[in-house]
Amino acid sequence: DAGVTQSPTHLIKTRGQHVTLRCSPISGHKSVSWYQQVLGQGPQFIFQYYEKEERGRGNFPDRFSARQFPNYSSELNVNALLLGDSALYLCASSLGDRGNGYTFGSGTRLTVV
Amino acid sequence: SQQGEEDPQALSIQEGENATMNCSYKTSINNLQWYRQNSGRGLVHLILIRSNEREKHSGRLRVTLDTSKKSSSLLITASRAADTASYFCATTEYGNKLVFGAGTILRVKS
Repeated sequence: DAGVTQSPTHLIKTRGQHVTLRCSPISGHKSVSWYQQVLGQGPQFIFQYYEKEERGRGNFPDRFSARQFPNYSSELNVNALLLGDSALYLCASSLGDRGNGYTFGSGTRLTVV
Repeated sequence: SQQGEEDPQALSIQEGENATMNCSYKTSINNLQWYRQNSGRGLVHLILIRSNEREKHSGRLRVTLDTSKKSSSLLITASRAADTASYFCATTEYGNKLVFGAGTILRVKS
């Protein structure tokens, strides 16, 4: 049984560009959350989607957006990239929309130059 | 912003020794979870303790929770080189998001 799948694993972008990160949750999981982890820090919550609806948003600018598709996969979009957006972006899936039993993917390492 | 702090920031021990990491948080919580992260990759869920529980065990892991002090500890007994990783505590309040601490880097020397 596949775990949480994220793509791509690594990405290099230039300041001002746009990026789309993708996540496929565990089969049967209806909730997907996104986290940003800057080097040397703990992950910070960006978004949670459950049943295709946004259920939570962290303290991130409007340049960050996300959506969830009917098959429960999700995309995280970041516009007008800044150097400070360089981070590991983690996706987590869970059955429900409560804070129990999250399974994380291996992440996408984004480098903005 | 981070929920709280892990202590110590880094820990280096010999294989076979016990490792204890502490976590403090700021708000009331629904549950507290511990995660492990190897080499800056994905997080692995280790154990969850609910706010009405005081202690929980899973294999070589023992977690305690003191809600009056807003703190938790993770004990890894008989450590192995494979336990070398970063360890994070994370809390949930009323639902969805995990709020992580800054983590403890554990190095187990063989």
